[in-house]
Amino acid sequence: DGGITQSPKYLFRKEGQNVTLSCEQNLNHDAMYWYRQDPGQGLRLIYYSQIVNDFQKGDIAEGYSVSREKKESFPLTVTSAQKNPTAFYLCASSIQGWSGELFFGEGSRLTVL
Amino acid sequence: DAKTTQPNSMESNEEEPVHLPCNHSTISGTDYIHWYRQLPSQGPEYVIHGLTSNVNNRMASLAIAEDRKSSTLILHRATLRDAAVYYCIRSGGSNYKLTFGKGTLLTVNP
Repeated sequence: DGGITQSPKYLFRKEGQNVTLSCEQNLNHDAMYWYRQDPGQGLRLIYYSQIVNDFQKGDIAEGYSVSREKKESFPLTVTSAQKNPTAFYLCASSIQGWSGELFFGEGSRLTVL
Repeated sequence: DAKTTQPNSMESNEEEPVHLPCNHSTISGTDYIHWYRQLPSQGPEYVIHGLTSNVNNRMASLAIAEDRKSSTLILHRATLRDAAVYYCIRSGGSNYKLTFGKGTLLTVNP
């Protein structure tokens, strides 16, 4: 089945550690996105990528890094520089970024102890 | 800056129609209007999108004002499974960027 897969679903880390969240899609989509959601809040865009080997900062990129070496994959690293990393992280993809439909993964919940 | 304005919450009764409003007064001519909904602890789900004309699909209808400064998502018969946060988003340009606001929390009463 085609879809977008995020892993892990739950992740606990100690403060000061980097952590990488995986996002893989087999929909042959060009664009991929990372969003962050805090309790009771909307989604805020961290990074997005329109094509392989290219990505742009979203609204809250500080403390995060990404790579887009393959069309199918868009991993997000939460670095120790991110001051408040505990959140729900959502990955999405789309075939036509600005007019088409976004497909979301099930999310990864990161808790920093 | 999501550039859309929605009520924080709305309430409806089961099997009644629901009209969820969205204001996007600064929308440009090439911006699309998208609606998504999100259940707790899940990723958002696409509902519908449109540009100028009203749109219908199996989930909902989208009514777009003639001046495109506002739109309304219509759920024709609300069910308990429609209880969710509904996001109205505008998108356009070439940067592929979609920005979500806080959305409207829809409560459906049995």
